[in-house]
Amino acid sequence: NAGVTQTPKFRVLKTGQSMTLLCAQDMNHEYMYWYRQDPGMGLRLIHYSVGEGTTAKGEVPDGYNVSRLKKQNFLLGLESAAPSQTSVYFCASSYPAGGSNEQFFGPGTRLTVL
Amino acid sequence: GEDVEQSLFLSVREGDSSVINCTYTDSSSTYLYWYKQEPGAGLQLLTYIFSNMDMKQDQRLTVLLNKKDKHLSLRIADTQTGDSAIYFCAESTPFKTGANNLFFGTGTRLTVIP
Repeated sequence: NAGVTQTPKFRVLKTGQSMTLLCAQDMNHEYMYWYRQDPGMGLRLIHYSVGEGTTAKGEVPDGYNVSRLKKQNFLLGLESAAPSQTSVYFCASSYPAGGSNEQFFGPGTRLTVL
Repeated sequence: GEDVEQSLFLSVREGDSSVINCTYTDSSSTYLYWYKQEPGAGLQLLTYIFSNMDMKQDQRLTVLLNKKDKHLSLRIADTQTGDSAIYFCAESTPFKTGANNLFFGTGTRLTVIP
């Protein structure tokens, strides 16, 4: 199993450009999440999904959109990138219930917006 | 959002014990987690504790939870150079949909001196 993978690993954008970050998981998890990690701060939840075709807002959703067209994929879109969106983005997935509700994380995407 | 606080840095000598502390604010947390992040990598779950437990031991790792003071600690016995990383404390409260809402601390950078 590859676990949680993210594409791309690095990206540099100019202000106003758009892009989509792709997250894929092969563990048949129902729940998927997008976080951002900024220096000196913990991870903050952007959006999450509890199943195919569903999405919901997290703590910092503004400026981002998401889609979950297939169970194994969760896409994060930036329609008009801003320098404040320079960050490291992590995707995670988890089982619906039971055990530790552990979230499994991808390796991250480092995004710079100039 | 909830507040989860950690000290930013900790240095220990190889072979000594490390203790990383965390305080949180949400008394309704169900699980509390410790994640490890190595340079350029995603977060890896180290251990977790359910909110109705006081202590959990897992090989070199001991987690102590003081629910009254909302204080969580991670003790690493016989610290090795491979333990050098950033350690994140996270508290979890479930969304109504069942997904897990994780709030992370800022992370503690542990440096192990040979």
